[in-house]
Amino acid sequence: EIVMTQSPATLSVSPGERATLSCRASQSVSSNLAWYQQKPGQAPRLLIYGASTRATGIPARFSGSGSGTEFTLTISSLQSEDFAVYYCQQYNNWPPRITFGQGTRLEIK
Amino acid sequence: EVQLVESGGGLVQPGGSLRLSCAASGFTFSSYAMSWVRQAPGKGLEWVSAISGSGGSTYYADSVKGRFTISRDNSKNTLYLQMNSLRAEDTAVYYCAKDVVPAGVDAFDIWGQGTMVTVSS
Repeated sequence: EIVMTQSPATLSVSPGERATLSCRASQSVSSNLAWYQQKPGQAPRLLIYGASTRATGIPARFSGSGSGTEFTLTISSLQSEDFAVYYCQQYNNWPPRITFGQGTRLEIK
Repeated sequence: EVQLVESGGGLVQPGGSLRLSCAASGFTFSSYAMSWVRQAPGKGLEWVSAISGSGGSTYYADSVKGRFTISRDNSKNTLYLQMNSLRAEDTAVYYCAKDVVPAGVDAFDIWGQGTMVTVSS
């Protein structure tokens, strides 16, 4: 099983500032990496897939980068609605053995 | 509007069974692989199972293999998860999710609202 490790567990950032979230895979997942945002009581929302492709309707302040085992989600200028939990997910295996990171909680500083 | 609506959750005793359903609308259901993803209370996301667009291929997490069965009825645009031999650790919100692209099993762009399954005596 590919283990996904996110850091930090909690990130405190002020509105308007930049947030950088990290995700590391225990082995290469190529660019088969997605990022999700989840708010309390809601289903996850796809932000990024293919490591760097924004999903439909996702604002340009969200960007993803990386390949292999190291990935980053950057939120360029935090808005109030961006404070949430973020998960990375790999989908590199065949047959599928999808795994998620444990999440990073982005909170208001 | 693209939409997924789950149903069938509830309280069940350990060792019991439950069948979840997910009604899809707003897209060509048979063209997309579908998955079930669960989230235990206060915990992270765990992929449970996936099925190809035709229904001919199915995949499971080790934690549910042999106990859960995923299926779909493309004529009814509905996804199912039959859960048998339920355990306390299966307690979670269960989401159905649609693949972002028609081929393979990958990222999920559309999620249902979730249905809660509680396994307890």
